[in-house]
Amino acid sequence: GIQVEQSPPDLILQEGANSTLRCNFSDSVNNLQWFHQNPWGQLINLFYIPSGTKQNGRLSATTVATERYSLLYISSSQTTDSGVYFCAVHNNAGNMLTFGGGTRLMVKP
Amino acid sequence: DVKVTQSSRYLVKRTGEKVFLECVQDMDHENMFWYRQDPGLGLRLIYFSYDVKMKEKGDIPEGYSVSREKKERFSLILESASTNQTSMYLCASSLRGFYGYTFGSGTRLTVV
Repeated sequence: GIQVEQSPPDLILQEGANSTLRCNFSDSVNNLQWFHQNPWGQLINLFYIPSGTKQNGRLSATTVATERYSLLYISSSQTTDSGVYFCAVHNNAGNMLTFGGGTRLMVKP
Repeated sequence: DVKVTQSSRYLVKRTGEKVFLECVQDMDHENMFWYRQDPGLGLRLIYFSYDVKMKEKGDIPEGYSVSREKKERFSLILESASTNQTSMYLCASSLRGFYGYTFGSGTRLTVV
């Protein structure tokens, strides 16, 4: 199956700093999603982004499908951004969603 | 507000017990999923269902079974719980094509 790798595994930021999270995948995919899991365990979808760039407030994501990677940008980080960020890819058959290992982010005040 | 509801937030069971984890969604989603989450391993798919009475094995189905008798309910069953099944279990649902992917709050299961 598809392999999904995220980097870095852990990240500590000072409030106000910017960061880039990376997601590499091993095969062509039908779609890609980014999720945020808050410290209480709730996972929320951030982006559906099979290709191109999308922005939502301080977050933006870019997927370069031909090179098999996606980036999540967090600007002006806040303590509420803390948690785990997951990248997940849809296989071409469209029946499986495979998650990466996640990036654990801690934003310090 | 749309929801995926998992019946228990925390659960402690003994080795060898039969365990039922229940998940209900109110969004009329076709797809439902069970994942387990372990530190450093991300989310791993146990089983999924794309229709009533249909089920497909995910990446780690061993030791688990599922039931989907109604569209809104997807149950995960541990036939004989073992300590290596101690984990966070997450249920999710989505429309076809994986749009509207929504997770429940999770059940933290401890098997002693």
